[in-house]
Amino acid sequence: EAQVTQNPRYLITVTGKKLTVTCSQNMNHEYMSWYRQDPGLGLRQIYYSMNVEVTDKGDVPEGYKVSRKEKRNFPLILESPSPNQTSLYFCASSFRGQPQHFGDGTRLSIL
Amino acid sequence: QKEVEQNSGPLSVPEGAIASLNCTYSDRGSQSFFWYRQYSGKSPELIMSIYSNGDKEDGRFTAQLNKASQYVSLLIRDSQPSDSATYLCAVNTYNNDMRFGAGTRLTVKP
Repeated sequence: EAQVTQNPRYLITVTGKKLTVTCSQNMNHEYMSWYRQDPGLGLRQIYYSMNVEVTDKGDVPEGYKVSRKEKRNFPLILESPSPNQTSLYFCASSFRGQPQHFGDGTRLSIL
Repeated sequence: QKEVEQNSGPLSVPEGAIASLNCTYSDRGSQSFFWYRQYSGKSPELIMSIYSNGDKEDGRFTAQLNKASQYVSLLIRDSQPSDSATYLCAVNTYNNDMRFGAGTRLTVKP
C-alpha cells in the first residue's frame, strides 16, 4: 500500500529535550516536505527536499533541522524544542509537480 | 503578497446549495493546481487536480482554472453536511515547490 508513515503520532515532551519525528514513504517520490499547522494559520512549510542530499528552507525553518540521506526517509529534528513548537506536524511526498501524499500527522506538545 | 491566497471564511451554505471557493496565486510560471479537503485534526486529502485552463468536473466537484487571471476555484454542487471541512488550495511553483493557501473553512448547514 502506498503510504507516508510518520512516527510518533503523539508526543508530549519537555523544553530542551532533543527529539526526532521520522517520515518514510514507499512510493519512490523525489520530493518530500515538512509542514506545521496551527489554528488559523494553515499549512506552513518548514523544510523541503527535492531529492537525496538536497534540502531547502521553507517559511518557518527556525529551530528545526532535516536530513535526506535516503530517498524514502526525511526525518525532522528538533535539537532544543521550545513551547512555541507545540503544533500538528505533517510530512508529505510526491513526484515533482504532482499531488502530495500526506502522513497522518504528529501532534507534538512541548511543556 | 502571499504566494497563494484564499478567503479564510468561514463560508456557510445550506444543504443542497452550491459552495464556491476561490484561490489566487502569484507565480505566473505555476503549472499544477490542487484542491485538498481537510477535516479537523486529520491530514489533507486530494479532491481535485487541474493543469490547464478551463473547467474540470469530478462528481459534485468542479475545478476552474484561469491562468491569465491567476485564479483557481472549486465549486461543490449539492453541498452535504459531510462536505463541512477546510479546503486548501495548493500550487506547484516554477521551481517545483508546492505552496499552500491558508484554507477556507466551509460549513454546510442541514
